[in-house]
Amino acid sequence: QTVVTQEPSFSVSPGGTVTLTCGLSSGSVSPTYYPSWYQQTPGQSPRTLIYNTNTRSSGVPDRFSGSILGNKAALTITGAQADDESDYYCVLFMTSGIWVFGGGTKLTVL
Amino acid sequence: EVQLVESGGGLVKPGGSLRLSCAVSGFTVTNAWMTWVRQAPGKGLEWVGRIKSKSDGGTIDYAAPVKGRFTISGDDSKNTLYLQMNSLKTEDTGVYYCTTLASPAYFHRWGQGTLVTVSS
Repeated sequence: QTVVTQEPSFSVSPGGTVTLTCGLSSGSVSPTYYPSWYQQTPGQSPRTLIYNTNTRSSGVPDRFSGSILGNKAALTITGAQADDESDYYCVLFMTSGIWVFGGGTKLTVL
Repeated sequence: EVQLVESGGGLVKPGGSLRLSCAVSGFTVTNAWMTWVRQAPGKGLEWVGRIKSKSDGGTIDYAAPVKGRFTISGDDSKNTLYLQMNSLKTEDTGVYYCTTLASPAYFHRWGQGTLVTVSS
């Protein structure tokens, strides 16, 4: 069974830069998995941030960027702001035609 | 403007059934690829299933935990996506979101979600 891995939690100082990662329990993440990233604050629906590895969704500030770093997908927030404090989820599209979410990363800005 | 509005959630006993609805506006539901995603209380997101557009064959795929119990369908006349859930288990408890699916392979627009609680 495929497991998508994310850091359970991360903290960043206001104005700082943080990189969250999205890996596979077995193997490397590549663009062929079409990694996408979603931001969710408590009680709200997820918001689409990044798709197709590094394309920002409409209205997403350019301080959010996506990439492949080594064998993982990555979400980098540059110049973190207080309202970036959220849960972040990545999801990978498998060759079998299903999607598998990571467990999410709880980002604290302090 | 594209909008997705889920409804139909509630409390149901284990083994029971429930049908969720996702009323869409701004597009025709059967012309789009749509998915259901759920979130157990305090847990992460989980993909439930996907239906392709009619023009792409309307093929439906499900995640392993719900296969054989859940059915996705779309109704042009009501412009609504449905999730029929049978043989419900306690582990099906959570908020269910409908989403549009955009190319390539990402969840684009999300509804506000509807809460399903499976408990005796």
